[in-house]
Amino acid sequence: SQTIHQWPATLVQPVGSPLSLECTVEGTSNPNLYWYRQAAGRGLQLLFYSVGIGQISSEVPQNLSASRPQDRQFILSSKKLLLSDSGFYLCAWSGVTDNNYGYTFGSGTRLTVV
Amino acid sequence: AQTVTQSQPEMSVQEAETVTLSCTYDTSESNYYLFWYKQPPSRQMILVIRQEAYKQQNATENRFSVNFQKAAKSFSLKISDSQLGDTAMYFCAFMKHVYTNAGKSTFGDGTTLTVKP
Repeated sequence: SQTIHQWPATLVQPVGSPLSLECTVEGTSNPNLYWYRQAAGRGLQLLFYSVGIGQISSEVPQNLSASRPQDRQFILSSKKLLLSDSGFYLCAWSGVTDNNYGYTFGSGTRLTVV
Repeated sequence: AQTVTQSQPEMSVQEAETVTLSCTYDTSESNYYLFWYKQPPSRQMILVIRQEAYKQQNATENRFSVNFQKAAKSFSLKISDSQLGDTAMYFCAFMKHVYTNAGKSTFGDGTTLTVKP
């Protein structure tokens, strides 16, 4: 079965510090991968998505970047965090066939920038 | 661009009763998918149910069923025999066919459902 791992679960970082959140998927190959951010009590905003190794598309211009160095690894990064980067970050993957469309999410990372 | 609207920010239901959550969407696409996701207090997002737009039959998953009205662009979720564990935030989501849009989804703002004992 497919599983998705996301870490860390919680992170408190000072303004101006770097960021690295990691997500890995098991049990599937060549998944579509996504990074979403969720503001408190709100819906999800798509940040980045990837359809293959080294292929990254950005949805929202911001202080963040993403990379996909391996087929089942997706990394969200920042060189210098801003207060506005605080939020709940979710990694997800989706199948590409009719019987497995829809997201499987990681457990999320709560990021607080202080 | 697609939009998804959930007009009920909060709802409550008595245990064992039935509740319906509303969702409307706007799109010019003909081939797409609709989803309901559940986010309990643990914040782990879980896929509850999926509907393919080309299917006329409404999807069901145990106590969860949908009422998909394509012409009206409406996609409601019905939870029967509500249980305390159904307490969560529920998100409606739209996805264009993955081959045309890489599986990107648009989410509504969510409905917080509280099941009361």
